[in-house]
Amino acid sequence: DAKTTQPPSMDCAEGRAANLPCNHSTISGNEYVYWYRQIHSQGPQYIIHGLKNNETNEMASLIITEDRKSSTLILPHATLRDTAVYYCIVRGNAGGTSYGKLTFGQGTILTVHP
Amino acid sequence: DAGITQSPRHKVTETGTPVTLRCHQTENHRYMYWYRQDPGHGLRLIHYSYGVKDTDKGEVSDGYSVSRSKTEDFLLTLESATSSQTSVYFCATGRDGSNSPLHFGNGTRLTVT
Repeated sequence: DAKTTQPPSMDCAEGRAANLPCNHSTISGNEYVYWYRQIHSQGPQYIIHGLKNNETNEMASLIITEDRKSSTLILPHATLRDTAVYYCIVRGNAGGTSYGKLTFGQGTILTVHP
Repeated sequence: DAGITQSPRHKVTETGTPVTLRCHQTENHRYMYWYRQDPGHGLRLIHYSYGVKDTDKGEVSDGYSVSRSKTEDFLLTLESATSSQTSVYFCATGRDGSNSPLHFGNGTRLTVT
């Protein structure tokens, strides 16, 4: 699976957009970009994923560059409850030898302050 | 989330005793995974399953075994627990392919004294 690089920490003011970057320069053509977050000691929570097009759901938007070497997760109106560790993961195809498993890095600690 | 139940939620055991953690899912997902999470190491894959009776090792499988005799249950066994296996254990399930997300349980906190 391709390795990802994220900043170790970021801050955001409540109500503002949080933009979390991720570099994945060695991503392969059939690998998806996934974002998860983990709040305190809970299990990781799925946020969004994409292959090459931008994606949006009720939680966030995912912007993937045209060359697919980087992406940005956008939380449009951050709240205090969005304070968490955010993981950007490049996921191999379940049909291949990786069996669709997720390989977690260290993630970005996002702190949303009042 | 996604009908995943991990049991027990907390357990304290002594070094050398066997321990079995259970992951039960109600979503009929094909893939199931066991991760452990430790400070400074993040989440690491222990074992995974790609179908009933089909399992394989992850990156930190030493000291652990798994079994999957039916779709809904994935068991993680520590044959002889050691203090280094004190950790939080998470189970995850996935429907199929790389275009469907994995969903995680709420974890089991295991302390080996």
